[in-house]
Amino acid sequence: DIQMTQSPSSLSASVGDRVTITCRASQSIRYLNWYQKKPGKAPNLLIYAASSLQSGVPSRFSGSGSGTDFTLTISNLQPEDFATYYCQQTYSTPFTFGPGTKVEIK
Amino acid sequence: QVQLVESGGGVVQPGRSLRLSCAASGFTFSTYAMHWVRLAPGKGLEWVALISYDGDNKYYADSVKGRFTISRDNSKNTMFLQMNSLRAEDTAVYYCAKSLTGGYYHGMDVWGQGTTVTVSS
Repeated sequence: DIQMTQSPSSLSASVGDRVTITCRASQSIRYLNWYQKKPGKAPNLLIYAASSLQSGVPSRFSGSGSGTDFTLTISNLQPEDFATYYCQQTYSTPFTFGPGTKVEIK
Repeated sequence: QVQLVESGGGVVQPGRSLRLSCAASGFTFSTYAMHWVRLAPGKGLEWVALISYDGDNKYYADSVKGRFTISRDNSKNTMFLQMNSLRAEDTAVYYCAKSLTGGYYHGMDVWGQGTTVTVSS
């Protein structure tokens, strides 16, 4: 099975900051997605195929990377962006998620 | 509008069974692969199972393989998760989700609101 790691596990940031979250796969993958999860709400797909912005997602969210190393960047952090972010590989079943990165208000 | 609604959650004793349902509307259900994902208390998201658009292909997380069975009825726009031999560690909110595309690879773009399963004696 492909193992996913994320760093950091949590971070504190201010509105307007640029935030970068890293996701690493235990082997090379081609399909990597990013989700936002808020308490009591369903996950929300932000980025698919490493860098494609899902329809309706603000352009301040961007994804990059290939092989084993991927990045989610949130530029100009907004109040509604404080949440937990998960990467997920959909290259090979089982489709594993990373452990999550909690973005908190500084 | 595109919608998924889960049902069937509840409190169940260890070793017992439960069947979850996911009713889909607003899209052509029979052309999309579907997933189950869960979120246990204090833990992160865990992918549980996947079923192809036609029900012919099914895949499972190692943690549920042999105990859970995913299925679908395209005539009723509904997906199911039969959960047998339940354990305390299966306690979670269970979400059904739709694949973004007809294939498996591009993530899940529509999610239900979740149904809570609690396994406890």
